[in-house]
Amino acid sequence: EAQVTQNPRYLITVTGKKLTVTCSQNMNHEYMSWYRQDPGLGLRQIYYSMNVEVTDKGDVPEGYKVSRKEKRNFPLILESPSPNQTSLYFCASSLDGGSRNEQFFGPGTRLTVL
Amino acid sequence: AQKVTQAQTEISVVEKEDVTLDCVYETRDTTYYLFWYKQPPSGELVFLIRRNSFDEQNEISGRYSWNFQKSTSSFNFTITASQVVDSAVYFCALNAGGTSYGKLTFGQGTILTVHP
Repeated sequence: EAQVTQNPRYLITVTGKKLTVTCSQNMNHEYMSWYRQDPGLGLRQIYYSMNVEVTDKGDVPEGYKVSRKEKRNFPLILESPSPNQTSLYFCASSLDGGSRNEQFFGPGTRLTVL
Repeated sequence: AQKVTQAQTEISVVEKEDVTLDCVYETRDTTYYLFWYKQPPSGELVFLIRRNSFDEQNEISGRYSWNFQKSTSSFNFTITASQVVDSAVYFCALNAGGTSYGKLTFGQGTILTVHP
């Protein structure tokens, strides 16, 4: 089954404790991205990757890091989480990022930073 | 820059009523795609429809229909005979390529509550 998986699905942590949210897709997609969802703001792109070892900032990259060492994986790293990073996070992938291509979303990760 | 506006923050209807969710977008690109997603209380994003900028035909899928009007930069979504299971947050989104290659620009979302 074609899918995007994220782990963990729920996470409560404390300020400053480094964490990683994993994202994996099994569709051999080149384009992957991370979004955060906040009430009244919709979803906003954090980082994206056009292919292995190619990443770039989205609209709200501050406080986040990403890496793309393998095509299927695109982890989101919060080196020193802060309460304003409490949010619902979605990973997405598409064939090559072209506007015609559907983006497949993971199930979401609900992060709370105390 | 791309922008999507969903002016209706919340809508409340009674079952069987028809409801229209508004979406207005801005882009300078001539080729773009518009999307609607549903987010039920469980939190996942469910893809509903994709429409490209060259296809202004209205689309109907069961109780759902979409009205794309390029002249007013709108892509509205209507649910006919609403049901409680339609209660969700609905997002309109735009993918316009260019310097925003691959990025979906989302509206703020509309919370729809359908009461029995």
